[in-house]
Amino acid sequence: AQSVTQPDARVTVSEGASLQLRCKYSYSATPYLFWYVQYPRQGLQLLLKYYSGDPVVQGVNGFEAEFSKSNSSFHLRKASVHWSDSAVYFCAVRPAGAKLTFGGGTRLTVRP
Amino acid sequence: EAAVTQSPRSKVAVTGGKVTLSCHQTNNHDYMYWYRQDTGHGLRLIHYSYVADSTEKGDIPDGYKASRPSQENFSLILELASLSQTAVYFCASSDWGGATLYFGSGTRLTVL
Repeated sequence: AQSVTQPDARVTVSEGASLQLRCKYSYSATPYLFWYVQYPRQGLQLLLKYYSGDPVVQGVNGFEAEFSKSNSSFHLRKASVHWSDSAVYFCAVRPAGAKLTFGGGTRLTVRP
Repeated sequence: EAAVTQSPRSKVAVTGGKVTLSCHQTNNHDYMYWYRQDTGHGLRLIHYSYVADSTEKGDIPDGYKASRPSQENFSLILELASLSQTAVYFCASSDWGGATLYFGSGTRLTVL
C-alpha cells in the first residue's frame, strides 16, 4: 500500500547536537516531498520542499533534507539544534495526480 | 497578519448536535482543505475544494460536509456530531494542488 512513514514518534537530543528525522515513502514514482513543522498550539508551517533537481534542499532555520530515490526516503537534518526547535515535524508526500499525505509526525524535544 | 483564519479556536459540542467550523483565507488561493488531527497522529484530509461552490471528498469524508461559498471561505459542517469527531481541525489553502499549504491555527473540537 502507498504510505508515508516516520519511524520515530519521539526524538530527544541535547541543544547543539546534530539531528536527523527520518521519512520513508512507498510510491511507484517520485512524488513531491515536504517537511512541515508544528509548534505548540499552532498550525503547520513549511520547512522545505522537493520537487526535482538537487537531492539536497535547504529550508528555513538551518534545516535541510536529502531525497534518496534508491531508498525512497526524504530525511530531515540539522547540524546544531536549538531549544526553540522543539516541535512536531511532519513529512508529507504528494504523488502525481494524488493528494497530499502526511506521515504520523515526530515529536522533537531539545534538552537545554 | 494571519492569512488563514479559523473560527472558533475551540468548541465544545454535544453528541448529536450540529457544528460548523469556519475558515477564511486572504491568500487568493484556489485550493482550500480541511484536515483533522488526532492526538499523536498525522493529519488526515476530510474535504477539499479547488473552486467556489464545489467541494471534493478527501480520505475520511464520512460524517462531514463542506461548503465553499466563495474563494475566501470554506466551512466544515458536522450535522450530527459524535464522540469520535473529537479532534483538532485544521484549514489550509494553496494556490495549486501540489503547492505549499498554508495552515490556520486550528480549532479544537470536543464532543461530549
